Amino acid sequence: GAGVSQSPSNKVTEKGKDVELRCDPISGHTALYWYRQSLGQGLEFLIYFQGNSAPDKSGLPSDRFSAERTGGSVSTLTIQRTQQEDSAVYLCASSFTGTSHNEQFFGPGTRLTVL
Amino acid sequence: DQQVKQNSPSLSVQEGRISILNCDYTNSMFDYFLWYKKYPAEGPTFLISISSIKDKNEDGRFTVFLNKSAKHLSLHIVPSQPGDSAVYFCAAKSGVTGTASKLTFGTGTRLQVTL
Repeated sequence: GAGVSQSPSNKVTEKGKDVELRCDPISGHTALYWYRQSLGQGLEFLIYFQGNSAPDKSGLPSDRFSAERTGGSVSTLTIQRTQQEDSAVYLCASSFTGTSHNEQFFGPGTRLTVL
Repeated sequence: DQQVKQNSPSLSVQEGRISILNCDYTNSMFDYFLWYKKYPAEGPTFLISISSIKDKNEDGRFTVFLNKSAKHLSLHIVPSQPGDSAVYFCAAKSGVTGTASKLTFGTGTRLQVTL
């Protein structure tokens, strides 16, 4: 079946502009996660959704970052007034929730470059 | 505060030999540990996991060992193959089985398997 998809794959923007990153999870996965990987760093948690609600948004670095999920499926991560330090690969993952430990399946990421 | 640490940024191993990747953690609340493998321009893919109630889990050429008292885990790959060349991330989570929760990642170890 189809995996997690993300769009765009690459985004170059100017400092101060807003960007929207999209994630399509695996069908039937109820949990959706956003992470980012800056150059030379590990993956940093941003936010996760259970259905359409976000029980944990503790990783969002500032109020310029927001995310929503509608219909228990697609999610959008929005970064307002982008800064150069926002440059990173933004990764989305999804998982079932249930009786197992619910391994997360990742998409290919969106590489964001803020000039 | 880096709760999951991979102190070796890179490792080079000859084909056919054993690769040992190490990971240390500081948060005693972590109760489930995972290894992910990442190729360039792709998202991480799940490799193997271990619950804190076990000290070893094996899957084919891959074995993960957990030493809870030392807060240390390791991934053994035997025998190593050129296709194993990738960046390996250690990740940890805490929480109730069956519920969604974030993963905390290390910074990764780049494994190169040489001919």
